[in-house]
Amino acid sequence: SQQGEEDPQALSIQEGENATMNCSYKTSINNLQWYRQNSGRGLVHLILIRSNEREKHSGRLRVTLDTSKKSSSLLITASRAADTASYFCATHASGGSYIPTFGRGTSLIVHP
Amino acid sequence: DAGITQSPRHKVTETGTPVTLRCHQTENHRYMYWYRQDPGHGLRLIHYSYGVKDTDKGEVSDGYSVSRSKTEDFLLTLESATSSQTSVYFCAISVAGSETGELFFGEGSRLTVL
Repeated sequence: SQQGEEDPQALSIQEGENATMNCSYKTSINNLQWYRQNSGRGLVHLILIRSNEREKHSGRLRVTLDTSKKSSSLLITASRAADTASYFCATHASGGSYIPTFGRGTSLIVHP
Repeated sequence: DAGITQSPRHKVTETGTPVTLRCHQTENHRYMYWYRQDPGHGLRLIHYSYGVKDTDKGEVSDGYSVSRSKTEDFLLTLESATSSQTSVYFCAISVAGSETGELFFGEGSRLTVL
């Protein structure tokens, strides 16, 4: 079963707006990662946040982590049509496991 | 680019036939994974490997076997393909020694079982 669950399943916005997607998970983690997948392609790593971090930025991406609520959010600011893709969170469980577990993803469409 | 190539990229086969998908990496990373991706399910782990001849099962391993005789190659075999195994299969690697386990993915192999 999936460790992480993204919400919403689908998101449709206009170019220039911000896009926020959320990920909830069930067990303790070492870190949480966000990936992007363009249609028909493999996943690409975007950003990682460790369990002892609360917020992280990378360009137009902002990730937050709330370990007490077992949730994370990915914010894409000033979205562009090229941001259209599916976004997945992946969790690394505590204990040194190298087995990442993925959620079902959020499909983002950015209209020009 | 982590130097991952999957082959074949597309395959159509019939129920009951054996199928082998190959994942090849050029950087000698220790950890390799096979995932399948289906609508509504996201990515689910089939098998993974933590070294030559060291493999273990994932969440959806039934009907699949793997082999890793060389560091650079991780093979996924469907001994007798079924229509439920129609899917897109992704190979991924994790950088050895990294605590983060950031994954690099191949471009996927689309398998259709008729």
